[in-house]
Amino acid sequence: NAGVTQTPKFRILKIGQSMTLQCTQDMNHNYMYWYRQDPGMGLKLIYYSVGAGITDKGEVPNGYNVSRSTTEDFPLRLELAAPSQTSVYFCASSYSRELREQYFGPGTRLTVT
Amino acid sequence: KQEVTQIPAALSVPEGENLVLNCSFTDSAIYNLQWFRQDPGKGLTSLLLIQSSQREQTSGRLNASLDKSSGRSTLYIAASQPGDSATYLCAVGMNRDDKIIFGKGTRLHILP
Repeated sequence: NAGVTQTPKFRILKIGQSMTLQCTQDMNHNYMYWYRQDPGMGLKLIYYSVGAGITDKGEVPNGYNVSRSTTEDFPLRLELAAPSQTSVYFCASSYSRELREQYFGPGTRLTVT
Repeated sequence: KQEVTQIPAALSVPEGENLVLNCSFTDSAIYNLQWFRQDPGKGLTSLLLIQSSQREQTSGRLNASLDKSSGRSTLYIAASQPGDSATYLCAVGMNRDDKIIFGKGTRLHILP
């Protein structure tokens, strides 16, 4: 199993550009999450999904969108990038609510200038 | 609103010492608590997961306890080693929705 994979690893965006961060897991996990981590801070939940076709907002959803058309994929869309979205983005997955051990991807480091 | 606090924010101890990291949370309506390790520039690795009905979990030199009623968890690391140097984060899973809330972490440095 590859686990949770994220692409790209690094990206520089100009203000106002858009992009999609890709996340794929091959563990047949129902739950998937997107977090952002700013320097010296913990992780803030952006969006999460409990299964294909179901998504919900986390703590900091503004400026982002997600979709979950398959169990494996959970892309995060940034529309009209802003400097405040400069961060490291992590995708994670887990099998169920009860067996909630989370597996994390390696992260995407995004800079908006 | 759930708030998760980790104290201390940073800690340096000599190799071989036993140490305790603390995690507190304001809302006890959780279904589990998880401890993670994060190395610089890397993703998170799960260390221990404690269900709300459990009091503690052990893995090797690590022991995590949970007192849900008082809103506290501790991560005990025995016989610390330089390889234990990392940031340790705790996260709680909420009963009322499926959100997981993280603390800011404790940055641990083990001195050789």
